Amino acid sequence: DSGVTQTPKHLITATGQRVTLRCSPRSGDLSVYWYQQSLDQGLQFLIQYYNGEERAKGNILERFSAQQFPDLHSELNLSSLELGDSALYFCASSVAASGWYGELFFGEGSRLTVL
Amino acid sequence: AQTVTQSQPEMSVQEAETVTLSCTYDTSESDYYLFWYKQPPSRQMILVIRQEAYKQQNATENRFSVNFQKAAKSFSLKISDSQLGDAAMYFCAYRSPNTGNQFYFGTGTSLTVIP
Repeated sequence: DSGVTQTPKHLITATGQRVTLRCSPRSGDLSVYWYQQSLDQGLQFLIQYYNGEERAKGNILERFSAQQFPDLHSELNLSSLELGDSALYFCASSVAASGWYGELFFGEGSRLTVL
Repeated sequence: AQTVTQSQPEMSVQEAETVTLSCTYDTSESDYYLFWYKQPPSRQMILVIRQEAYKQQNATENRFSVNFQKAAKSFSLKISDSQLGDAAMYFCAYRSPNTGNQFYFGTGTSLTVIP
């Protein structure tokens, strides 16, 4: 158990809909990262938050948005869903503070299927 | 931005034999961290091993070891006495402490273990 909790684990929805994926980082971790992994593909970095502020943005579509709340949990919002958005969405956390050079701890992922 | 290259999309190894997975990276930084993650069919991302760039000694974790060649920007993973449970996708990752602790992942190597 990595200590990172993602909900829901599985989600099936229709095209055009909107969903929210939730992530609770490990206790004490300040940074949250979101990744998208399509079937048999690598990890695509979407966005990173550090202590409530956006730190870096990757290949995140304009239809997607995210935020990190004061209690450090994060939500990834996906709207106007398309078939191609079907993927495994990972949340990962890390302390990511100055002087800490540890690894990312991954949640089990949220598997999104868009029909 | 840093890039991480895994030139072997697929590898196979006989059970009990040794296999080496390759990873190269491109960076102008002197301080950074390197990781190997394993993703079994469950799709969970599991840390295998990590290496701090300032350490000359290669990291070792039981049957897993790395060959870190800083000048060559190479970071290969050696799996000794391969077991059926080692079958997975392996991702090489680079962490940049100088750019907001960004992580850069390779495209992965799919390892098959032959009984």
